[in-house]
Amino acid sequence: ELQLVESGGGLVKPGGSLRLSCAASGFTFSNAWMTWVRQAPGEGLEWVGHIKSKTDGGAADYAAPTEGRFTISRDDSRNTLYLQMDSLKTEDTAMYYCYTFFRGGQQGLWGQGTLVTVSS
Amino acid sequence: EIVLTQSPATLSLSPGERATLSCGASQSVTYNYLAWYQQKPGLAPRLLMFDASTRATGIPDRFSGSGSGTHFTLTISRLEPEDFAVYYCQQYGSSPPYTFGQGTRLEIK
Repeated sequence: ELQLVESGGGLVKPGGSLRLSCAASGFTFSNAWMTWVRQAPGEGLEWVGHIKSKTDGGAADYAAPTEGRFTISRDDSRNTLYLQMDSLKTEDTAMYYCYTFFRGGQQGLWGQGTLVTVSS
Repeated sequence: EIVLTQSPATLSLSPGERATLSCGASQSVTYNYLAWYQQKPGLAPRLLMFDASTRATGIPDRFSGSGSGTHFTLTISRLEPEDFAVYYCQQYGSSPPYTFGQGTRLEIK
């Protein structure tokens, strides 16, 4: 079964750090471009960034609000995607989803999300 | 950065009616790489359409997508009760960031 499961969310103070994980199963993770999307409470979807497969270079790209503070990485041996979040701000409070798209299978796969709350 | 503007913000219709949702881009979307997602309260989004007009696996054929360049449309031909949700467009054609529109809320009239 295709599945993405996020973990690592929680309450953190402004200026703090948190690392989110996204465990993948049911597909060849190493071939997938993986994306992080977030959604602040009551707001719309915001693209956070993505990481390419290693065969496509393995580079990560970021949205402007998170560049320099967030780092996306992957461990293909563990089928796991990561989002390291540093220098957190109150405006980073959101549900964080991981996502991938299978062009050949014509489907998208989302995790259930993990909630990050940045508050003093 | 490409800015996507969705209209209307809210659409009030009855089951059985036709829904037309629009997504306008501030610049041309490369290869018409535009996706539509549906999101219901408390749930993750669900991919409906990709490449502007290709339905994702398992999506009913009452959903269709069209458009090119800077103007795209999602049409639901005959609304079912389960279609009332929030819909987002997203472009992934140019260099990142792969921006989303602000969403259209489809509500029961």
